[in-house]
Amino acid sequence: GENVEQHPSTLSVQEGDSAVIKCTYSDSASNYFPWYKQELGKRPQLIIDIRSNVGEKKDQRIAVTLNKTAKHFSLHITETQPEDSAVYFCAALLNRDDKIIFGKGTRLHILP
Amino acid sequence: EPEVTQTPSHQVTQMGQEVILRCVPISNHLYFYWYRQILGQKVEFLVSFYNNEISEKSEIFDDQFSVERPDGSNFTLKIRSTKLEDSAMYFCASVSGGVYEQYFGPGTRLTVT
Repeated sequence: GENVEQHPSTLSVQEGDSAVIKCTYSDSASNYFPWYKQELGKRPQLIIDIRSNVGEKKDQRIAVTLNKTAKHFSLHITETQPEDSAVYFCAALLNRDDKIIFGKGTRLHILP
Repeated sequence: EPEVTQTPSHQVTQMGQEVILRCVPISNHLYFYWYRQILGQKVEFLVSFYNNEISEKSEIFDDQFSVERPDGSNFTLKIRSTKLEDSAMYFCASVSGGVYEQYFGPGTRLTVT
């Protein structure tokens, strides 16, 4: 079945610097790649997503890139702020209405 | 903005007891899901439900689990005889047909003692 690998598991960056989280997926038929931010004890919150027909998408300080050939996708956060500290999950879906397959998560620490 | 709701927020139960976790999906949504997250781990798919039947289930979703949509609004997950390893956060999600984004509820923390 579909598998999503995510790294690093933990990432510490200085406030104001950039953070990059990388994921790979196994099923080349995957079509949709959401990213979630999860704060302690809360639900996963969708922060950005990308579909398979797009190579890059940006929303203010957050951007996502997708390389379908290599089956890689990445999250980039620029000008990091303390409130960016959280666990981030990448995920993949084959089709609309399909189950979400999550990566193992990256705990991001923003250092003052 | 409509939201998925879940009750209770926290449930403590003894091993071997039955629990029912409740969800109210967004009213015009057609597809419903349960996910589980053991503390400190990733979110894992349990089951999807469409048109009053299970459309897919994972290996985790064994005979101890069942789902039901008893009326037009509620969507429930039942664990018949809880085990210690069932302790986790359980998230319900729903989506309207033809789109990708699933809406998650706030979760129910299940603690089995």
